[in-house]
Amino acid sequence: KNEVEQSPQNLTAQEGEFITINCSYSVGISALHWLQQHPGGGIVSLFMLSSGKKKHGRLIATINIQEKHSSLHITASHPRDSAVYICAVSYTGNQFYFGTGTSLTVIP
Amino acid sequence: DAGVIQSPRHEVTEMGQEVTLRCKPISGHDYLFWYRQTMMRGLELLIYFNNNVPIDDSGMPEDRFSAKMPNASFSTLKIQPSEPRDSAVYFCASSLSTGGTQYFGPGTRLTVL
Repeated sequence: KNEVEQSPQNLTAQEGEFITINCSYSVGISALHWLQQHPGGGIVSLFMLSSGKKKHGRLIATINIQEKHSSLHITASHPRDSAVYICAVSYTGNQFYFGTGTSLTVIP
Repeated sequence: DAGVIQSPRHEVTEMGQEVTLRCKPISGHDYLFWYRQTMMRGLELLIYFNNNVPIDDSGMPEDRFSAKMPNASFSTLKIQPSEPRDSAVYFCASSLSTGGTQYFGPGTRLTVL
């Protein structure tokens, strides 16, 4: 079975804090995706990674293929970052296998 | 581009009724995906199409669910007859390439009473 595990499940932070969300998977992948789902329900793709690191604004995503692990970091967190962050992996096909998500709340 | 368009955004129906959800993918995208999201199970892939052809429908819960893609710009997901346990948010997504970034529609929130 393709397992994708995320931690923590829930996270509360003070505005300005550095945040890390982790994702582990069980077998080799072709790509790993980080998605963001806002309280209104819309889902946005943040990153697609197959190796190394990517940065977009205050968001940084890293992946370690050997350890089958990825992290999503948010620097200088802001209340508008409050959302559910979902890790998904894809293999040789096109299907995504999703983690259960991390619910982030950033308090002013 | 308008992004992935789904309709309706909300649907409330009674058990036993037929429900049809609609999706218009981003123009030029060859892949279209239907997902279901519930509190209990999170996001699950139901079916996906490549160039209008269903590739994998192993996630479709049972025969009450069917999906079609008659052309590159339109897909439907039909539930007949609907049951309360079908209540969920149904997302459509499209992508340009194999394993590439998927662009999600706003979802259809289905409530079956």
